[in-house]
Amino acid sequence: DQQVKQNSPSLSVQEGRISILNCDYTNSMFDYFLWYKKYPAEGPTFLISISSIKDKNEDGRFTVFLNKSAKHLSLHIVPSQPGDSAVYFCAAYTGTASKLTFGTGTRLQVTL
Amino acid sequence: DAGVIQSPRHEVTEMGQEVTLRCKPISGHNSLFWYRQTMMRGLELLIYFNNNVPIDDSGMPEDRFSAKMPNASFSTLKIQPSEPRDSAVYFCASSAGLADNEQFFGPGTRLTVL
Repeated sequence: DQQVKQNSPSLSVQEGRISILNCDYTNSMFDYFLWYKKYPAEGPTFLISISSIKDKNEDGRFTVFLNKSAKHLSLHIVPSQPGDSAVYFCAAYTGTASKLTFGTGTRLQVTL
Repeated sequence: DAGVIQSPRHEVTEMGQEVTLRCKPISGHNSLFWYRQTMMRGLELLIYFNNNVPIDDSGMPEDRFSAKMPNASFSTLKIQPSEPRDSAVYFCASSAGLADNEQFFGPGTRLTVL
């Protein structure tokens, strides 16, 4: 039972344009949502997070939006750069279980 | 400041052999997590420890998998006997504590079981 879903396995965007990565979840008990970025042959690294009590968090070119009623979050990257090409994992955290549940990832390719 | 260290980076073994993966968490971190990455299931949590004590091992797929954390600076994940379907990338991660939702990942061990 996949509680965190990333339905798009891959996404290709032109440099300078906006990248939008989507994530859906089923468990309404999640407290925090995080995005991790992963380059080949490296471990995932934390990118940005959002508390379940907020609907938006911004950090430079990266913004995460949370729609609790739809159980949906998205990561916006503006403008996209070639160095953003990586696999992006959505993750959800529950304080009661004290663990992260990850999605399957979306591979973003930013083309020149 | 060193991050999470995993060894080996690559492991190729034959079916039926024992495999041991190693992890050194970030110094001062109290929680340690073992994950497995596959194309179909993404990053799956296998087991996690807090203060060297296993908290939840419900993600361990079978009895062939076991994990230990004998001290705050070392953990192992063992597969015995290994099978081809165990082939995956295994990540270790650590965090300051269970209430800290940000985890820091090691570079992973790519396991291939022939």
